[in-house]
Amino acid sequence: AQSVSQHNHHVILSEAASLELGCNYSYGGTVNLFWYVQYPGQHLQLLLKYFSGDPLVKGIKGFEAEFIKSKFSFNLRKPSVQWSDTAEYFCAVNSGSGNTGKLIFGQGTTLQVKP
Amino acid sequence: DAGVIQSPRHEVTEMGQEVTLRCKPISGHNSLFWYRQTMMRGLELLIYFNNNVPIDDSGMPEDRFSAKMPNASFSTLKIQPSEPRDSAVYFCASSLTSGGAFEQFFGPGTRLTVL
Repeated sequence: AQSVSQHNHHVILSEAASLELGCNYSYGGTVNLFWYVQYPGQHLQLLLKYFSGDPLVKGIKGFEAEFIKSKFSFNLRKPSVQWSDTAEYFCAVNSGSGNTGKLIFGQGTTLQVKP
Repeated sequence: DAGVIQSPRHEVTEMGQEVTLRCKPISGHNSLFWYRQTMMRGLELLIYFNNNVPIDDSGMPEDRFSAKMPNASFSTLKIQPSEPRDSAVYFCASSLTSGGAFEQFFGPGTRLTVL
């Protein structure tokens, strides 16, 4: 069965620090990959997605992610975090082949940015 | 587009009562997902529909939970009878699965409290 693993459950950073959140998945075929963000008290919103093409994907608010097929990874990065980035981040994967749209979500990483 | 619409936004009920949560997906989307989120268990997929047909209900915790999608623009999640452990935020999401696009759009959620 497909699975998604996010290495860090809780990350604490100071403002302006660089961020990298790890995500690994366990499916060997064609995949679609997503990062979602959930700000406190809100619903999940899409940060960025990878379907094909350039493995370095740029999303909203200065976030980017790199798809490394050989490592089954899709790590999220941001060079300089802000206090407003405090949120929970979810990595998700879809097998991408003639399916009904189900996403497998990781367990989430809570990011706390100290001002 | 108004996005995914959920009602009610908040529901407080007493143990043993029936609870019905409602969802209107984005117009034109053909897949609909019900999730539950708690601090203890994180984000859980309960059930999802494709073209109004239930595809996978393996995440439904027990027989007290049921979901329907009578048409492409409406779905309900019912809990009967409700129990305090059902207290959670319930999210509905929808997506369009044609053309290889699987991004899910989440509604604002229903915060359910069972006393």
